[in-house]
Amino acid sequence: NAGVTQTPKFRILKIGQSMTLQCTQDMNHNYMYWYRQDPGMGLKLIYYSVGAGITDKGEVPNGYNVSRSTTEDFPLRLELAAPSQTSVYFCASSLGTEPGEQYFGPGTRLTVT
Amino acid sequence: GQNIDQPTEMTATEGAIVQINCTYQTSGFNGLFWYQQHAGEAPTFLSYNVLDGLEEKGRFSSFLSRSKGYSYLLLKELQMKDSASYLCAVRDRDYKLSFGAGTTVTVRA
Repeated sequence: NAGVTQTPKFRILKIGQSMTLQCTQDMNHNYMYWYRQDPGMGLKLIYYSVGAGITDKGEVPNGYNVSRSTTEDFPLRLELAAPSQTSVYFCASSLGTEPGEQYFGPGTRLTVT
Repeated sequence: GQNIDQPTEMTATEGAIVQINCTYQTSGFNGLFWYQQHAGEAPTFLSYNVLDGLEEKGRFSSFLSRSKGYSYLLLKELQMKDSASYLCAVRDRDYKLSFGAGTTVTVRA
């Protein structure tokens, strides 16, 4: 099992550019999540999904979009990148049964200049 | 939503014990998790409490009091590799986690 994989590891974007952060899990988990982590701050939930075809907003969804066409993949789309989106992005997945701990991907470090 | 508070930093000596406290205010509590995050890496799961009491897992233990909105993570026999950030997270009934800002533990020789 590769677990949760994310690409790319690093990316530099110019203001106004767009990009997609890829996330794939091979554990057949129903639940998938996208977080951002800023220095000295906790992880903030951007979007989550409870299964293929179902997505919902988290705490900080503005400027982002997601889709979940398969159980395995949960890409995060940034449209019109802004400096405020400079952050480390983590994708995670979990089973919907107890204890339901989340497994995290290695993260994508994004800089918008 | 959830308000989750934990200390910013703690320092301890190798071989010692450290207790990291976490207090929370929540709507729809459905479990409390502790994660470990080394610098530049992803968080990894440490422990889970959903009922009151102590859960022990090797050198790590976690305690929960739902009536007090309080948890702690106890790290025993500290090792240098335990230097990391420890994240307290509360889960709601939609299976979403809210994280505290994390406690950076530095273990000194």
